Amino acid sequence: DIVMTQSPDALAVSLGERATINCKSSQSVLYSSNNKNHLAWYQQKPRQPPKLLIYWASTRESGVPDRFSGSGSGTDFTLTISSLQAEDVAVYYCQQYYSTPQTFGQGTKVEIK
Amino acid sequence: QVQLVQSGAEVKKPGASVKVSCKASGYTFTSYSMHWVRQAPGHRLEWMGWINAGNGNTKYSQRFQGRVTITRDTSASTAYMELSSLRSEDTAIYYCARVGIVNWNDGWFDPWGQGTLVTVSS
Repeated sequence: DIVMTQSPDALAVSLGERATINCKSSQSVLYSSNNKNHLAWYQQKPRQPPKLLIYWASTRESGVPDRFSGSGSGTDFTLTISSLQAEDVAVYYCQQYYSTPQTFGQGTKVEIK
Repeated sequence: QVQLVQSGAEVKKPGASVKVSCKASGYTFTSYSMHWVRQAPGHRLEWMGWINAGNGNTKYSQRFQGRVTITRDTSASTAYMELSSLRSEDTAIYYCARVGIVNWNDGWFDPWGQGTLVTVSS
């Protein structure tokens, strides 16, 4: 199984400041046949299901604010919130869909400093 | 809009089985695979398996092989996940989630159902 490891486990950021979450996979999730990274990012608020933010590592889902961006390739990926808003307080997860079983990171809790 | 609505919370005794439903609306049910993911307290999201809603093919995580069965009723646009031989460690929120790519079995998940809490307790 591909192991997904996020860092940090939690971070506190001031309103309007940048938040950066890292995700590392135990093997590459770059699929050679389509040259795409099979990685997604989700946001989960309390008592809600996860919500898709980013797929193909860097493609923003429709309706997601442009302060959210994804980057990286191969085994190292980053989710960046460029200017943290109060409504961004949540737990964020990365997920690889390169191989079965699909696996998730342990989550990163983002709070307001 | 695309929506997945799951059945209500369940309380089961150890050794029993539970069957959770997931009714889809707002899209062609048979064009997308449906996945099941669970979230146990203190644990990361855990993928359980998928069903191709078009042809009924399934694939399960090895961790649940032999205990989980995913089915669908195309006439009702509903997918089901049944987990047997329940133990306390199966206490979790169970989510259905539609794959994001039409006619693909794997991919990102969007949208997710609201979740169904299954509590296993004697």
